[in-house]
Amino acid sequence: EPEVTQTPSHQVTQMGQEVILRCVPISNHLYFYWYRQILGQKVEFLVSFYNNEISEKSEIFDDQFSVERPDGSNFTLKIRSTKLEDSAMYFCASSDGRPSGSPLHFGNGTRLTVT
Amino acid sequence: DQQVKQNSPSLSVQEGRISILNCDYTNSMFDYFLWYKKYPAEGPTFLISISSIKDKNEDGRFTVFLNKSAKHLSLHIVPSQPGDSAVYFCAASATGTYKYIFGTGTRLKVLA
Repeated sequence: EPEVTQTPSHQVTQMGQEVILRCVPISNHLYFYWYRQILGQKVEFLVSFYNNEISEKSEIFDDQFSVERPDGSNFTLKIRSTKLEDSAMYFCASSDGRPSGSPLHFGNGTRLTVT
Repeated sequence: DQQVKQNSPSLSVQEGRISILNCDYTNSMFDYFLWYKKYPAEGPTFLISISSIKDKNEDGRFTVFLNKSAKHLSLHIVPSQPGDSAVYFCAASATGTYKYIFGTGTRLKVLA
């Protein structure tokens, strides 16, 4: 069964550094998402992406964050100048259609630890 | 403002019995709902969905019920198995938006 893959599985960075989290969505999917889960808390929406542009973003997704689909297969989340509170599991997801009709398929996440 | 709520943080059920997981929502514009299962160190895995035009959807041991007037949905697992032990999330979306809103999750433990 096709999978969403994320790399790395664990990233440790120092406060103030930039990180790039990488995702390879399912190949025929057109909609891409980033979510995060701070330890023990709910899964929070960050951003959705379709047709090479952001479709929707949450209030969490401020100027510190950016997303890119640099080629036909990768989807990246960049966090500039990381803060301690950015420590979380970051999940990439993709779907073959819009929400309200298509479930999201998630990768296994990248655990980001900011020290 | 928590639009999707799962008021039971945990649930324990004997193997073979029914597990009922509940979810409430406040946004009447939500029209598509999902249930996910999540094991530690893995991403959420899609289980079952339901559209607001239906009140029930069944897939094997899993059945989702939707009560629009009460803004409530539930996931029934029958019979429950030890491998079902995981955190279960409900999620909701509204037409015209490009996101799902997730609940806080319920940890299900199925006792052998």
